[in-house]
Amino acid sequence: DQQVKQNSPSLSVQEGRISILNCDYTNSMFDYFLWYKKYPAEGPTFLISISSIKDKNEDGRFTVFLNKSAKHLSLHIVPSQPGDSAVYFCAASAAGGTSYGKLTFGQGTILTVHP
Amino acid sequence: KAGVTQTPRYLIKTRGQQVTLSCSPISGHRSVSWYQQTPGQGLQFLFEYFSETQRNKGNFPGRFSGRQFSNSRSEMNVSTLELGDSALYLCASTLAGGTNTGELFFGEGSRLTVL
Repeated sequence: DQQVKQNSPSLSVQEGRISILNCDYTNSMFDYFLWYKKYPAEGPTFLISISSIKDKNEDGRFTVFLNKSAKHLSLHIVPSQPGDSAVYFCAASAAGGTSYGKLTFGQGTILTVHP
Repeated sequence: KAGVTQTPRYLIKTRGQQVTLSCSPISGHRSVSWYQQTPGQGLQFLFEYFSETQRNKGNFPGRFSGRQFSNSRSEMNVSTLELGDSALYLCASTLAGGTNTGELFFGEGSRLTVL
């Protein structure tokens, strides 16, 4: 049972345009959501996160939106740059004090930004 | 500050053998988690250790085991290797204190190939 789903395996955009990556989840216990970026031969690196008490979080070119009623979140990258080309993973965690290291990841979306 | 270090980076084993992977977390981080990444499956949680105790466990068979030492370094072991165990094994660490933000710091991974 895939509790976090990224339905688009890949996304291709032009440099300077907006990239929108989507993620859906099914577990109502999730209360913290994160996006990670991964380049080949490297480990994933943290990009941005959002708590379930918010519906938007911005960090520079990156904005994450959360729609709790739809159990959907999205990552917007504006403007997209060729260096953003990577695999993007959506992840979720549940509160409880003992879940520090346990994230549930989506399958990833390969973003390609063309110059 | 040194990042998460995983050894070995690459290894090849044959079916039926066993393998041990090592992870040194970021200094001061007490929680170490392990993830398996395979094509099409994304990152799947194996287990998490905190203060030398396994605190969370994913849905993997008992052939997958781990431990954590008093200096927070961790090892994971896979016995009786199967072809399907071929994957990138990622270790991640986190402070595991205060509010659970879920942000993990990943190593570059150990690429295991089972022949």
